[in-house]
Amino acid sequence: AQSVAQPEDQVNVAEGNPLTVKCTYSVSGNPYLFWYVQYPNRGLQFLLKYITGDNLVKGSYGFEAEFNKSQTSFHLKKPSALVSDSALYFCAVRSYGSSNTGKLIFGQGTTLQVKP
Amino acid sequence: SQTIHQWPATLVQPVGSPLSLECTVEGTSNPNLYWYRQAAGRGLQLLFYSVGIGQISSEVPQNLSASRPQDRQFILSSKKLLLSDSGFYLCAWSGDGYSYEQYFGPGTRLTVT
Repeated sequence: AQSVAQPEDQVNVAEGNPLTVKCTYSVSGNPYLFWYVQYPNRGLQFLLKYITGDNLVKGSYGFEAEFNKSQTSFHLKKPSALVSDSALYFCAVRSYGSSNTGKLIFGQGTTLQVKP
Repeated sequence: SQTIHQWPATLVQPVGSPLSLECTVEGTSNPNLYWYRQAAGRGLQLLFYSVGIGQISSEVPQNLSASRPQDRQFILSSKKLLLSDSGFYLCAWSGDGYSYEQYFGPGTRLTVT
């Protein structure tokens, strides 16, 4: 079965420190992986994606993610957290078996709290 | 550039009343369209998706229905709302290319009283 797991409901980090939000996946084919951020009462914003190529993917707002095939992980990272990074973060993977539907499987989300 | 609109932004409806939420996309053609519901600010539940006009696939049997009368218009409806229909409804689109990322609208907050 295809799935995405975000093992932490909440991550707390001090402003200026590096942050990591964890994501692991299980898919039947090549993984297409995505990260989204959601601020309160807003839609999800696309941050970055991994399709193929370099395992370190850079995205919006200084975020990056590292694809690790052997560990089936795609952790989101940022070298120096900002208070404004506080939000809900979702990891997602393309759903195989859906041909051209573009369906994604989302994790349950991780709340990032950055304290001043 | 592409934009996605949803309306209304917020809605308070009594139990048993009908529902119509609308989503439109600009700046692209033949998008895949999706309706999600998010309860309690957490996980997303895919409700419906559409790969073309008149083509609707339902993910979860429920009190809701969807329609796609035009290429870039996606409507979520109900004949009689239940309390359990309350939530944050998100519309999204994706292209028909190979990357599959979805782009989300601003959402509609529905409260059924």
